[in-house]
Amino acid sequence: QQQVKQSPQSLIVQKGGISIINCAYENTAFDYFPWYQQFPGKGPALLIAIRPDVSEKKEGRFTISFNKSAKQFSLHIMDSQPGDSATYFCAASMFGHGNKLVFGAGTILRVKS
Amino acid sequence: NAGVTQTPKFRVLKTGQSMTLLCAQDMNHEYMYWYRQDPGMGLRLIHYSVGEGTTAKGEVPDGYNVSRLKKQNFLLGLESAAPSQTSVYFCASGRDGEKLFFGSGTQLSVL
Repeated sequence: QQQVKQSPQSLIVQKGGISIINCAYENTAFDYFPWYQQFPGKGPALLIAIRPDVSEKKEGRFTISFNKSAKQFSLHIMDSQPGDSATYFCAASMFGHGNKLVFGAGTILRVKS
Repeated sequence: NAGVTQTPKFRVLKTGQSMTLLCAQDMNHEYMYWYRQDPGMGLRLIHYSVGEGTTAKGEVPDGYNVSRLKKQNFLLGLESAAPSQTSVYFCASGRDGEKLFFGSGTQLSVL
């Protein structure tokens, strides 16, 4: 049972374009939604995170949009650059119970120059 | 500041062999986690610890054991390796379990 469903599996975007990755969750008890970025041969690193009390959070070129009623959230990468080429994971957790993160399957992003 | 260090980086085992993966963090974090990463499946939680001397099962704990005898170390053991345990293993730590810091991974092949 996959608690966090992520799409698409892979994405190719032209340099300067907008990359959009979507996630949907099932457990309404989740209260923390991070996105992690992973480069080949490295471990994932936290990119940006949001809580359900806000609908949007922006950090530089990265924005999370959150729709609580639809149980969906998405990552938007504006002005995508070749250096953004990586695998992106959405995740979710609920406070307590070890704050365990449940990850989506990942999206491989390639930005063409 | 090393962050989260995993050893070894690569290992090849034969079916039935045992091994221990070591994770060490120097950030004084309470929470530590072991994940496995397989293509198309994201990262799945094996075991975790919320403090020294504590461990708990995650999503896919079968075939693995863990120990957290010291706050800075979290060990993952495979008692009798199986081909299904071929994967990339990541250790992570966090102050409060939210912002996690990951190691660079251990690539394990079981033949």
